[in-house]
Amino acid sequence: GDSVTQMEGPVTLSEEAFLTINCTYTATGYPSLFWYVQYPGEGLQLLLKATKADDKGSNKGFEATYRKETTSFHLEKGSVQVSDSAVYFCALLSGSARQLTFGSGTQLTVLP
Amino acid sequence: GAGVSQTPSNKVTEKGKYVELRCDPISGHTALYWYRQSLGQGPEFLIYFQGTGAADDSGLPNDRFFAVRPEGSVSTLKIQRTERGDSAVYLCASSLTTSGARDTQYFGPGTRLTVL
Repeated sequence: GDSVTQMEGPVTLSEEAFLTINCTYTATGYPSLFWYVQYPGEGLQLLLKATKADDKGSNKGFEATYRKETTSFHLEKGSVQVSDSAVYFCALLSGSARQLTFGSGTQLTVLP
Repeated sequence: GAGVSQTPSNKVTEKGKYVELRCDPISGHTALYWYRQSLGQGPEFLIYFQGTGAADDSGLPNDRFFAVRPEGSVSTLKIQRTERGDSAVYLCASSLTTSGARDTQYFGPGTRLTVL
């Protein structure tokens, strides 16, 4: 079945550091890929998405590129801020499925 | 406009009791999803509605779990004879249609269920 594997956390960075959170997936066909973010005390929010190979999703300074050859969708940001502290989830939607399959989440803490 | 809302935000119950969790989707969204998120894990799919009908209930763990959406808007997730293992955050999401990835799923804040 479909699955998503995320880099285990927690990840702690200093403000303005470079961020990478790794995500790889297993799926049938050609899934669409997502990053969701969960800020403290809030619900899940879509951060970015990519629907086909080589697409790059971007939002709020975050980027992720859909790499079919390596079945990956790593999340990157060049300079993190304290306000980026949250839990980040990689997810996929494959084939005719309507439900998302999520990774286990990566807790990010950014220190001033 | 208003997002997805869920009530109650917290529910504490005793083992063996019955609980109902409510989800109010974004107005006009035809698709509604329920997920369950255990501590330290990502959300896991339970059931999805297209309109009033349950289009896919393959994620429901057993027959103690049931969900309805009688008028194609508000949905209720019902859990009978609750067990301690049912403790989790129950998330609801809605999307405009069901054309797959082109429709973003918008999540509510969740209901934290604790079974003592």
